[in-house]
Amino acid sequence: DVKVTQSSRYLVKRTGEKVFLECVQDMDHENMFWYRQDPGLGLRLIYFSYDVKMKEKGDIPEGYSVSREKKERFSLILESASTNQTSMYLCASSPRQGVTDEQFFGPGTRLTVL
Amino acid sequence: GQNIDQPTEMTATEGAIVQINCTYQTSGFNGLFWYQQHAGEAPTFLSYNVLDGLEEKGRFSSFLSRSKGYSYLLLKELQMKDSASYLCAVIDSNYQLIWGAGTKLIIKP
Repeated sequence: DVKVTQSSRYLVKRTGEKVFLECVQDMDHENMFWYRQDPGLGLRLIYFSYDVKMKEKGDIPEGYSVSREKKERFSLILESASTNQTSMYLCASSPRQGVTDEQFFGPGTRLTVL
Repeated sequence: GQNIDQPTEMTATEGAIVQINCTYQTSGFNGLFWYQQHAGEAPTFLSYNVLDGLEEKGRFSSFLSRSKGYSYLLLKELQMKDSASYLCAVIDSNYQLIWGAGTKLIIKP
């Protein structure tokens, strides 16, 4: 079974702090994604990566950056956390480049910024 | 703009059948996904449709009509464990994935 793990299930940070969210997949997938999920809204893509050291902006990249130094690991960074970044963050991976493969999601990190 | 519409919430009875609709207005179409998400958990893949028609997979079926911009997920013989949110997502002409807000399905005994 494909497994996608995220570093924390729950995280509480203060405004202005730098926040790292890590995601690891164990199935040698090419693609990795970071989404945020808010009530009443669909999943919104923050960044994705189709290869090591490659990254592409999604729909809402402002205030976020990412890093993919190894194929299995994709990190999301909030440079200076703000209260409007309080959300559920979901990482996903898929086997090949593009979006026509099913995505495998991690359990999510619920981030609260105070 | 691009838009995916799903009902916010539906209620059904254990053992019954329920149909969850998804209508989309996107710039082109290259496929449609359905995912299931239990509360507090990760979404999991249910189905993928790219051609018109019905795809059946056990108690779950998914239908697509590209000309109408419409899909539905049909759940038969409902079980309590089917209580979850069901997410519809469409691939547009630029191969971007557009997600609906999801339908929360409540199953009552």
